[in-house]
Amino acid sequence: QVQLVESGGGLVQPGRSLRLSCAASGFTFSYYGMHWVRQAPGRGLEWVAITSYHGSYEQYGDSVKGRFTISRDNSKNILYLQMNSLRAEDTAVYYCAKDRLYCSRTSCLESGVYYSYTMDVWGQGTTVTVSS
Amino acid sequence: DIQMTQSPSSLSASVGDRVTITCRANQNIKHNLNWYQQETGKAPKLLIYGASSLQSGVPSRFSGSGSGADFSLTISSLQIEDFATYFCQQSYTSPLSFGAGTKVEIK
Repeated sequence: QVQLVESGGGLVQPGRSLRLSCAASGFTFSYYGMHWVRQAPGRGLEWVAITSYHGSYEQYGDSVKGRFTISRDNSKNILYLQMNSLRAEDTAVYYCAKDRLYCSRTSCLESGVYYSYTMDVWGQGTTVTVSS
Repeated sequence: DIQMTQSPSSLSASVGDRVTITCRANQNIKHNLNWYQQETGKAPKLLIYGASSLQSGVPSRFSGSGSGADFSLTISSLQIEDFATYFCQQSYTSPLSFGAGTKVEIK
């Protein structure tokens, strides 16, 4: 079945870095854009970033732009989130999620549309705590 | 950036009740609105996409409507497994944004 499993979370000091991973299975990973979404304790959902199916395009939320980098390894079916200059307000559960839009080898290139911006499959999340 | 406002923030209802949650965007987002359900301690789950399309596997008691800036999610007959928090999300443009959530509690 379609599955996303996050890892890499933990306790980290302010200003330090952390890299999250998301292992995908049960679908053709290289045909879909992928998201990171986070949820601070007791709070709502905040979109973090998206990468296109081929990893050539990325977009970020305002609060993480310039500090976080989303990337992917389609040969290993893994999504990453490199988080630098971490702050206390980055403390959250981080979810990876699959975008709903299917991108074949030519369909998205021809249309120029790489995302639906709809998250149809979510992982269980990994917790990041930024504290001294 | 697009701001999403959900109401109410919480509600109490009984099994069998009809429940409606609303979501408003601060600009026209056409039909680009999704609804998610999140049970306590679990990941969100997609219920409705494109304002009114039911995601595969989601019970038909869930329905969505609206366009432009005003949207709603309706549960026609609340079941015990529906007590959860519901979020709307605009899929019109980046950066994507969510509503603050509506917690549906047992009366």
